[in-house]
Amino acid sequence: QVQLRESGPGLVKPLETLSLTCTVSGGSISNYYWSWNRQPPGKGLQWIGSVDKDGSTHYNPSLRSRVSVSVDTSKNHFSLTLNSVTAADTAMYYCAEWGGAYWGQGTLLTVSS
Amino acid sequence: EVVLTQSPLSLPVTLGQPASISCRSSQSLVHSDGNTYVYWIQQRPGQSPRRLIYKATNRDSGVPDRFSGSGSGTDFTLKISTVEAEDVGVYYCMQHTHWPRTFGQGTKVEIK
Repeated sequence: QVQLRESGPGLVKPLETLSLTCTVSGGSISNYYWSWNRQPPGKGLQWIGSVDKDGSTHYNPSLRSRVSVSVDTSKNHFSLTLNSVTAADTAMYYCAEWGGAYWGQGTLLTVSS
Repeated sequence: EVVLTQSPLSLPVTLGQPASISCRSSQSLVHSDGNTYVYWIQQRPGQSPRRLIYKATNRDSGVPDRFSGSGSGTDFTLKISTVEAEDVGVYYCMQHTHWPRTFGQGTKVEIK
C-alpha cells in the first residue's frame, strides 16, 4: 500500500521561500505521476503542480511564477518550492498521486511574521 | 481554465435516504484519448481527501457500493444510494482532461 508523508517547516515569514517534501513509501516513486495540492482554511482544494519520474512538470498558471516541483528518485521523494509567500499561501498542503488514488495526511503551513 | 460547478453546495440528508451531487463543466471533459478524466473526492471532517470514483464511473477499491458515478461530456453525478453517518463530509469533483487540473467548489453533506 502506497503511503505519502509531507514534511515542512510549519511556519514561514512573508516573502520567504517555502519548501515541502513528500516521502513515498510502499511503492516506487518511478511508477507514478505526482502532484501538490493545497486547501486554505475553510476553503476548497487547489492544484499547485505536478511532476513525473523524469522530472517533467506542469504548474497551475496562477502560481507558475513562484512555484517549482521536483523529484528525487534516489530518495523516493518529491518536493515543492514556493517563493515570496504571503498570508494568502497559508493552507494545508497535500501531496498526492496524480490521479488522486493516494494522498498524504497534509501539512499545515502558516505564513506569518 | 475549465470551471466545474457543483450543486447543491450544501446537502442535508436523512440517514438511509439517497443523495445526489451534480458537477457541470464549462467544456467537454472527454479527452482526445477517449477517456473522461473526472474524479470524485471525499473529505471527511478533519481528514485528508480520499478518491471514491475515477474516470467518471469507476469505483475505487474499498469504496462501498452505495457510491456511484455517472455522466458524460459536461454533466456528471455522484450518487449515494443510502446515506450513512460516515458519509458526512465535503465532496469534490475534479478534472484533469484539460490543463490546469481543476476542482469543483465542494458539496457539504450533513445529516438532518
